[in-house]
Amino acid sequence: DVKVTQSSRYLVKRTGEKVFLECVQDMDHENMFWYRQDPGLGLRLIYFSYDVKMKEKGDIPEGYSVSREKKERFSLILESASTNQTSMYLCASSLGRTGALFNTIYFGEGSWLTVV
Amino acid sequence: RKEVEQDPGPFNVPEGATVAFNCTYSNSASQSFFWYRQDCRKEPKLLMSVYSSGNEDGRFTAQLNRASQYISLLIRDSKLSDSATYLCVVMEGGKLIFGQGTELSVKP
Repeated sequence: DVKVTQSSRYLVKRTGEKVFLECVQDMDHENMFWYRQDPGLGLRLIYFSYDVKMKEKGDIPEGYSVSREKKERFSLILESASTNQTSMYLCASSLGRTGALFNTIYFGEGSWLTVV
Repeated sequence: RKEVEQDPGPFNVPEGATVAFNCTYSNSASQSFFWYRQDCRKEPKLLMSVYSSGNEDGRFTAQLNRASQYISLLIRDSKLSDSATYLCVVMEGGKLIFGQGTELSVKP
């Protein structure tokens, strides 16, 4: 069974704090993704990575950065948290570059971040 | 216009009912299509892929109409356990684009 683990399920942070959200997958997947999910807006892609040390901006990268130093780990960083970053953050991974293996993505359980 | 649009619902149906969800997408170059299911405060999980010829998995049937840029999901004989949010997902340019989801509540 594929396992995508997000280290923190519930966090409360203050405005201006630096926030790290960690994600680890145990299936040697090449691709990893960070989404945020907000009511009425669905899931929106923040950043993704197809390989170690590689990153690509998604649809809403502003205010975020990522790090992928090892294949299994993809970190999302909020350099200076703001209240509009209060959301549920979902990490995901998938295997392969094309076709069904790429398309089938597995999500972590989510990290609920509140910025006050 | 949103890239992937769904009726947010909620759809409230009795057990045993047949319910249909619709989804439209804006990019005619979209390559692949899926339905994901998401339970309350849980992560999304793949329900089924959607093929041009239509496909069925037990009580679930998915259809794709490329000309109309329209995807559907039909659930027959609804169960209480089908209560969830159903996400329409489209792949384009190597990225998965999610609809906002349609909430289904199946009542006894």
